Amino acid sequence: GAVVSQHPSWVICKSGTSVKIECRSLDFQATTMFWYRQFPKQSLMLMATSNEGSKATYEQGVEKDKFLINHASLTLSTLTVTSAHPEDSSFYICSAINGQASSYEQYFGPGTRLTVT
Amino acid sequence: QQQVKQSPQSLIVQKGGISIINCAYENTAFDYFPWYQQFPGKGPALLIAIRPDVSEKKEGRFTISFNKSAKQFSLHIMDSQPGDSATYFCAATDRPLNRDDKIIFGKGTRLHILP
Repeated sequence: GAVVSQHPSWVICKSGTSVKIECRSLDFQATTMFWYRQFPKQSLMLMATSNEGSKATYEQGVEKDKFLINHASLTLSTLTVTSAHPEDSSFYICSAINGQASSYEQYFGPGTRLTVT
Repeated sequence: QQQVKQSPQSLIVQKGGISIINCAYENTAFDYFPWYQQFPGKGPALLIAIRPDVSEKKEGRFTISFNKSAKQFSLHIMDSQPGDSATYFCAATDRPLNRDDKIIFGKGTRLHILP
């Protein structure tokens, strides 16, 4: 149980285009999802916290107009990187919290490798 | 402060040896300390976690030691195996039942177990 999937697992896009990454909780309802980015050999950096049905809360320094987050249902959150540039190339990871569980636990997705050419 | 300091940055251990990774924190409000294991190209996976009401937690070959007064905790991997080669992140958070809580990650330790 508690499986989180991401799609796509890797994507290559041209500079200036937009790309959407999906994060799904497969066997539980995720009231809260988190989006992270991770550069090679570095730690995870939290980008934003996404609550179902409300606007995402972005971390300081993260451009909300560039990284659009939508959490329209209890099992799906999407991250859209708009007008992507090579510096946006990174490993994007989502995590989800089971809203019906009594214990705190974040379940991580497998990540999405974005390469902007 | 919110940060969690992790050391060493990288670690090489012989097969069968003990791998030890250390972390320290500042925020006394932290009361949930998970460790994550991440393989290249994959998302992190929870390995083991501890709350400050105990000083040690063991699951198989993995043990967390926790020193509340020193605000330090460590991961010990006994009988280390080549399959344990991965990056390990310690983390901390507070108010564990609050769904919006952030996890503060350490910078990670790249562990390599020599066959």
